Formats: sequence, C-alpha cells, structure tokens
Amino acid sequence: GQNIDQPTEMTATEGAIVQINCTYQTSGFNGLFWYQQHAGEAPTFLSYNVLDGLEEKGRFSSFLSRSKGYSYLLLKELQMKDSASYLCAVGGGFKTIFGAGTRLFVKA
Amino acid sequence: EAQVTQNPRYLITVTGKKLTVTCSQNMNHEYMSWYRQDPGLGLRQIYYSMNVEVTDKGDVPEGYKVSRKEKRNFPLILESPSPNQTSLYFCASSSTGGNQPQHFGDGTRLSIL
Repeated sequence: GQNIDQPTEMTATEGAIVQINCTYQTSGFNGLFWYQQHAGEAPTFLSYNVLDGLEEKGRFSSFLSRSKGYSYLLLKELQMKDSASYLCAVGGGFKTIFGAGTRLFVKA
Repeated sequence: EAQVTQNPRYLITVTGKKLTVTCSQNMNHEYMSWYRQDPGLGLRQIYYSMNVEVTDKGDVPEGYKVSRKEKRNFPLILESPSPNQTSLYFCASSSTGGNQPQHFGDGTRLSIL
C-alpha cells in the first residue's frame, strides 16, 4: 500500500528551530515535496527533493533519504507567521500522494 | 498574474442535484488535478489530466467526473452529490505531472445536505 506519515501537531517557540519528519512508503517515486498551508488557504510550494541530501532555501531546509523513505523539513528562526500546516507529498508518475499534514503552532 | 481560479468558493446544495465546480489556469500548464481535503486525511487526489482529452483516476474518483476539452479548463462534475462528498476541494496545475510543484486554487467548500 501507499502511506505517508507525519506528526499531527507540533509546538515550537518563536526564534527556535523545528524539524518536521515525514516517512513514506509509495509504489512510485519521482521526488518529495513540502507545501505550507495556512488555515483557510491553499497549499503553497516550499521545496522539492529528488536526490538524497539537504536542500537549503533561506530559513527553510529539506532533507531526503530515499533508502530510508524519510524526509524532514527544518524551519529556522521561527516566526509567528510560520504557524501553519506543513504537507509532505510524494510525486510518482502523474500522481501525487499527500500526507495528512503537520499543524505547527509557534508561540511567543 | 499566474493563478488557478476555482468557482464557486462556497456552495451549499442538496443530495442528488448535479453541480459543477470550474477550474481555470492561465499558466499554459499541461497537467491539472483535483483534490479533496478532509480533516485527518489530508489531500486526496480525485482525478488528474496530463493534457487536453487525457484524464485518469486518482485515489478517490467514485462519484466524480471530469473533462479536459481545453488546456486551461478542468471542471469537476458531481452528477448526483451525496453528503459524503461534503469537503474542501482544490484544483491544481503544474507544467508536467508528479515531478513538478503544483499551483493550487483557493479552494471550494462544498456542503451537501
């Protein structure tokens, strides 16, 4: 079967670093996406990993290990506006499978 | 401005009354897709289209139809809506398929009574 697991909720403090993990088991794999979704809004693209390793983009970084079926999204210097859901998704062929998302609460 | 436009944004209707949710993109994308989002389940793919006149089922296609007669438009049709189709629906597009980031519309909240 196809499965993507990520924690349901996380809480972190403004200015801190948080890591959101994602494990996946899918029949196809082109790459792994992370999207951000604020409450009541559409998902927006954050990052895409095809090869193993760390991709850094400003305050956000994403890591992939294909052999372990594992990825994480690292958010540094957390800001209140980072409070949102973070969706892990695997692209395979023409399909994309999404995890249920991790709701991140950033507190002052 | 590059965008995916869905209409309506909100709809309350009754069981069995056919409805269509429209989706249009202005980025000349080949790939378009429909998702539903339910609490605890995340985004689930309903149908996708690789190009004009080419569509295929996603993971939850039952009760839905789609068509892709033009590149920019990808309507979602519920022929006989039922309460279990009450959900938040998103249309998305990308230049190609599952290896490109998708641009999402603002969502359509459907309530079927």
